[in-house]
Amino acid sequence: GENVEQHPSTLSVQEGDSAVIKCTYSDSASNYFPWYKQELGKGPQLIIDIRSNVGEKKDQRIAVTLNKTAKHFSLHITETQPEDSAVYFCAASEAGNMLTFGGGTRLMVKP
Amino acid sequence: ETGVTQSPTHLIKTRGQQVTLRCSSQSGHNTVSWYQQALGQGPQFIFQYYREEENGRGNFPPRFSGLQFPNYSSELNVNALELDDSALYLCASSRNPRDPGRNTGELFFGEGSRLTVL
Repeated sequence: GENVEQHPSTLSVQEGDSAVIKCTYSDSASNYFPWYKQELGKGPQLIIDIRSNVGEKKDQRIAVTLNKTAKHFSLHITETQPEDSAVYFCAASEAGNMLTFGGGTRLMVKP
Repeated sequence: ETGVTQSPTHLIKTRGQQVTLRCSSQSGHNTVSWYQQALGQGPQFIFQYYREEENGRGNFPPRFSGLQFPNYSSELNVNALELDDSALYLCASSRNPRDPGRNTGELFFGEGSRLTVL
């Protein structure tokens, strides 16, 4: 089955700096790669996703890149703000909605 | 706000007991997935229901079972509870990617049911 590795597990940045979270996956059949943000006491919320026919996708301060050959994808957050502080999860799936999640990255943005 | 509601939000059980968790899916969604999230870890896929049938299952024993109803709501049942079953149980609704029409396969999660087994 699919295995998703995510790093770093914790990331501390100064407000205004950029943050990068990286994930690798094992199943070459995976074709859908979402990123979720989970705040304390809440369920994961989809923030951006990318499909295997696209190499990069951007939505305001958030961007995701995908390298299918190397089987890795990354989340980039620019101009970080304190409200970006949360746990971020990457995930991968072949079937579109049976997701395998990474272990999570706790992002702390210091004002 | 995803429109996915789960109940109860918190509950405490003892080893050996049984628990039922409930989920109402977002309007227009016909697929419900359940995930288990242990403290400090990523969610793990338990199973998925589509058209009232199990449509995929992760690496969980048979004492984890589920139901989907005609209105697409769903239940997760866990029998013979063990201490390691303590976790946040997340329900996610979506449209099935194989359904015709515009469908991105995105999952929308509820806030979860936090189960503590003593």
